Amino acid sequence: QKEVEQDPGPLSVPEGAIVSLNCTYSNSAFQYFMWYRQYSRKGPELLMYTYSSGNKEDGRFTAQVDKSSKYISLFIRDSQPSDSATYLCAMSGARGSTLGRLYFGRGTQLTVWP
Amino acid sequence: KAGVTQTPRYLIKTRGQQVTLSCSPISGHRSVSWYQQTPGQGLQFLFEYFSETQRNKGNFPGRFSGRQFSNSRSEMNVSTLELGDSALYLCASSPDPTSNTEAFFGQGTRLTVV
Repeated sequence: QKEVEQDPGPLSVPEGAIVSLNCTYSNSAFQYFMWYRQYSRKGPELLMYTYSSGNKEDGRFTAQVDKSSKYISLFIRDSQPSDSATYLCAMSGARGSTLGRLYFGRGTQLTVWP
Repeated sequence: KAGVTQTPRYLIKTRGQQVTLSCSPISGHRSVSWYQQTPGQGLQFLFEYFSETQRNKGNFPGRFSGRQFSNSRSEMNVSTLELGDSALYLCASSPDPTSNTEAFFGQGTRLTVV
């Protein structure tokens, strides 16, 4: 079993839709939870990160972490064609620990059509 | 501030050859991590370097190796290339190993083995 599971999709939605992206994980020692966006032929770029459980909002993006269920989500409101990309979840353990590196999901390919 | 620079961007090699990829981190960043990205496996961790020392290593065969120089630039080498080594190789830099939430990726080197 991989440490981080993510449905690769693809996911296709109309412009303006609310998008929900999810990951599950197996290691309860993970403390930092991140979402990256990767456009075609580019490297991943960090969208947002959350420490431990809770929600974090940044514009149209909301990240949620439920440590009790080992489940994280990214919501995109009012989705735009420019949001079309692959979204990768990533997580890590305590800084400086052996789990301190990033563990990635496979990524979900999202297409937002006009 | 210049981003993470990976060279070359594209590479075509023949089975059995070896290849060296280069990564120049963001100025001031001393931690460099390498990942292999394939459609089937997603982002898989190769290794992490900090202050010229390998701190962490993923589950890859010994054909994959790396090093870091005193100026924090890093190289990775793959010997005896196999068809399955065809992938996007990504490098990420961060200020230090405890700063995974501040990791920035390069655009990657697309390696094709024929």
